[in-house]
Amino acid sequence: GENVEQHPSTLSVQEGDSAVIKCTYSDSASNYFPWYKQELGKGPQLIIDIRSNVGEKKDQRIAVTLNKTAKHFSLHITETQPEDSAVYFCAATGNDMRFGAGTRLTVKP
Amino acid sequence: DAGVTQSPTHLIKTRGQQVTLRCSPKSGHDTVSWYQQALGQGPQFIFQYYEEEERQRGNFPDRFSGHQFPNYSSELNVNALLLGDSALYLCASSLAPGPEETQYFGPGTRLLVL
Repeated sequence: GENVEQHPSTLSVQEGDSAVIKCTYSDSASNYFPWYKQELGKGPQLIIDIRSNVGEKKDQRIAVTLNKTAKHFSLHITETQPEDSAVYFCAATGNDMRFGAGTRLTVKP
Repeated sequence: DAGVTQSPTHLIKTRGQQVTLRCSPKSGHDTVSWYQQALGQGPQFIFQYYEEEERQRGNFPDRFSGHQFPNYSSELNVNALLLGDSALYLCASSLAPGPEETQYFGPGTRLLVL
């Protein structure tokens, strides 16, 4: 089955800096790669997703890149703000949706 | 537009008991998936319901069962609770079945098994 590895597990940045989270997956048939943000006491919130026919996608300060050959995809957050602090999960779909273990992002004011 | 709702928000049970969790999907969605999220980990897929049938199942024992109603809402039942079943149980809904459909999560039900 699909296996998703996510790095780093924790990330601390200064407000205004960029943050990058990387994920790798094992199933070459995977075609859908969503990213979720989870704040304390809440369910995961979809922030951006990418499908295998696209290499990069942007939405304001957030961007995701996909390299299907290398089986990795990354989340980029620019101009980070304290409200970006949360746990971020990547996911990849094989027979079902598999999630990475999460990255705790802390943005220091 | 109401998002995915779940009830109850918190629940405490003892080993061996049974529990039922409930989920109402986002308006316009007809597919419901359930996930278990242990502390400090990513969600793990339990199963997905569409047209009142279980369409896909993850690696969970038969103690975990579900149901979907004609109004698309769903229940997750767990029998013979174990301490290891303590987790946040998440419901997600989508416009159609299949793992590649965009899924929207509810706030979850936190289950503690003592």
